[in-house]
Amino acid sequence: EPEVTQTPSHQVTQMGQEVILRCVPISNHLYFYWYRQILGQKVEFLVSFYNNEISEKSEIFDDQFSVERPDGSNFTLKIRSTKLEDSAMYFCASSPGGAGTDTQYFGPGTRLTVL
Amino acid sequence: GQNIDQPTEMTATEGAIVQINCTYQTSGFNGLFWYQQHAGEAPTFLSYNVLDGLEEKGRFSSFLSRSKGYSYLLLKELQMKDSASYLCAVIDRNYQLIWGAGTKLIIKP
Repeated sequence: EPEVTQTPSHQVTQMGQEVILRCVPISNHLYFYWYRQILGQKVEFLVSFYNNEISEKSEIFDDQFSVERPDGSNFTLKIRSTKLEDSAMYFCASSPGGAGTDTQYFGPGTRLTVL
Repeated sequence: GQNIDQPTEMTATEGAIVQINCTYQTSGFNGLFWYQQHAGEAPTFLSYNVLDGLEEKGRFSSFLSRSKGYSYLLLKELQMKDSASYLCAVIDRNYQLIWGAGTKLIIKP
């Protein structure tokens, strides 16, 4: 069964450093998403991406965040200058169509720790 | 503002039935999802409701009442592996998923 994959599974970085989190969505899916979940808290929407551009983003997704689909398979989230409060689990998800009609399938997540 | 309420934690016995409730107040409604999340893992899809009524899928069923802003997830014949958090998420009018904080379900033998 096809699944969303994410790398790395764990990332430890120093405050102020840049990190890139990588995702490979399910191959025939058209919509891609990033979410984060701070330990013990609810899942929070960051951004959705369709047709090579951002379709929606939340207040959390400020100028230090960016997303890219550099080739036909990868979908990345870049955090330019990490802060302590960026420590969280970051989940990538994909869906065949938009969230209004289609189920989002989640990757296993990347645990980001900012020191 | 947008709000999704679920109980924080519930406890049930192996083999029994448990109902997890979710109430929501959102700007628009385009469907409701239930996801299961084991600790440290990703949410996995359980069910989707957009019309009123009951959707049954094996041991799990989900109910929706749009007029009441209410849903529940019913788990039957509970197994130890059902110990997890159960997340209610609503699609608002902008087609964004708004998440509840989740209900931690503890199954006891």
